[in-house]
Amino acid sequence: AQSVSQHNHHVILSEAASLELGCNYSYGGTVNLFWYVQYPGQHLQLLLKYFSGDPLVKGIKGFEAEFIKSKFSFNLRKPSVQWSDTAEYFCAVQNHNTDKLIFGTGTRLQVFP
Amino acid sequence: DVKVTQSSRYLVKRTGEKVFLECVQDMDHENMFWYRQDPGLGLRLIYFSYDVKMKEKGDIPEGYSVSREKKERFSLILESASTNQTSMYLCASSTSGTSGSYEQFFGPGTRLTVL
Repeated sequence: AQSVSQHNHHVILSEAASLELGCNYSYGGTVNLFWYVQYPGQHLQLLLKYFSGDPLVKGIKGFEAEFIKSKFSFNLRKPSVQWSDTAEYFCAVQNHNTDKLIFGTGTRLQVFP
Repeated sequence: DVKVTQSSRYLVKRTGEKVFLECVQDMDHENMFWYRQDPGLGLRLIYFSYDVKMKEKGDIPEGYSVSREKKERFSLILESASTNQTSMYLCASSTSGTSGSYEQFFGPGTRLTVL
């Protein structure tokens, strides 16, 4: 069965620190990849997505992610976090045979001023 | 602007009650989804509908049923609520994969407490 692993469950950073959140998936075929973010009290929203092409994807609010096919990974990065990035981040994978998403368990990010 | 709305933000029910959670989308999307979100478990798919009156079980369908009589509306039904169904319920919609866009759009969620 397909699965998505987010290794960091809770990350605490100071403002201006760099961020990298890991995401690995288990599926050998062609996939679409997503990062969603849920700010406190708000609904889940798309941060960025990868369908094909350049494996380095840029999203909103200065986030980017790199798809490394050989490692089955899609890690999320931001060079300098802000207090407003405090949120929960979810990685999700979709294989090309279905419209369904498989979500990871989420990473809670806390950024302190 | 894309919109997925859910009928209630907070709901408190008693064990054994029948519970209806409603979701409406205004984007003419073919697909609609119901998830539950629990701390440390992420989002788990309960049911999925790819067309009116069509449905498919997700990963955790036990204790739930769904109804999709109109394209814009997808209902989640708890036939007899139990305390282990206390959770945040999220509805989402998306276009069909054949149209090339796979992003799911989410509603604000319904936090259900079963006493």
